[in-house]
Amino acid sequence: QQQVKQSPQSLIVQKGGISIINCAYENTAFDYFPWYQQFPGKGPALLIAIRPDVSEKKEGRFTISFNKSAKQFSLHIMDSQPGDSATYFCAASRSYNQGGKLIFGQGTELSVKP
Amino acid sequence: SAVISQKPSRDICQRGTSLTIQCQVDSQVTMMFWYRQQPGQSLTLIATANQGSEATYESGFVIDKFPISRPNLTFSTLTVSNMSPEDSSIYLCSVGQLQETQYFGPGTRLLVL
Repeated sequence: QQQVKQSPQSLIVQKGGISIINCAYENTAFDYFPWYQQFPGKGPALLIAIRPDVSEKKEGRFTISFNKSAKQFSLHIMDSQPGDSATYFCAASRSYNQGGKLIFGQGTELSVKP
Repeated sequence: SAVISQKPSRDICQRGTSLTIQCQVDSQVTMMFWYRQQPGQSLTLIATANQGSEATYESGFVIDKFPISRPNLTFSTLTVSNMSPEDSSIYLCSVGQLQETQYFGPGTRLLVL
């Protein structure tokens, strides 16, 4: 019940295309859903996050779509660029009751071809 | 966001030895966490470092193997004890305030021979 399932495992997109990564969770007590971007040799960096009281959040080319009834959320990267090539992790936490412990998805390795 | 540093950034160790990893934050934070990321894998929480008390370990991780200290609100250490090649991983600390997001340090890359 603590799992977060992420797909696809890897993704190849052409420059200018849309990258879509999906995550599903089981625990309805999760109340915070961040996405992290990790480049090789670096720690994960927060990209964008959403709480379940909204269905969509957009920051620049990055958008989170959230479907509370389906217990799913996704990251959309518009106009994907080669510099977006990285590993992306979704995560979920119960920030209020468990002090913010993050449960991570398995990760998606994105490659944007020029 | 907080600026987080980790020492060492990488190390190569012999099996049976121990390594202590330091995590320093530039401001006081409520929560500090330690994660392990095995090669090509996702992040797994090892423990929550509690200031002034014993760390809270996740299932599968024990204090004898991964002793943690947190003497104040800006510093924590993780020791990997009696290392084996299976301990070769990236070890990451993260920090956060209650009900807010977490920020990660750059990680410590450990190779055990």
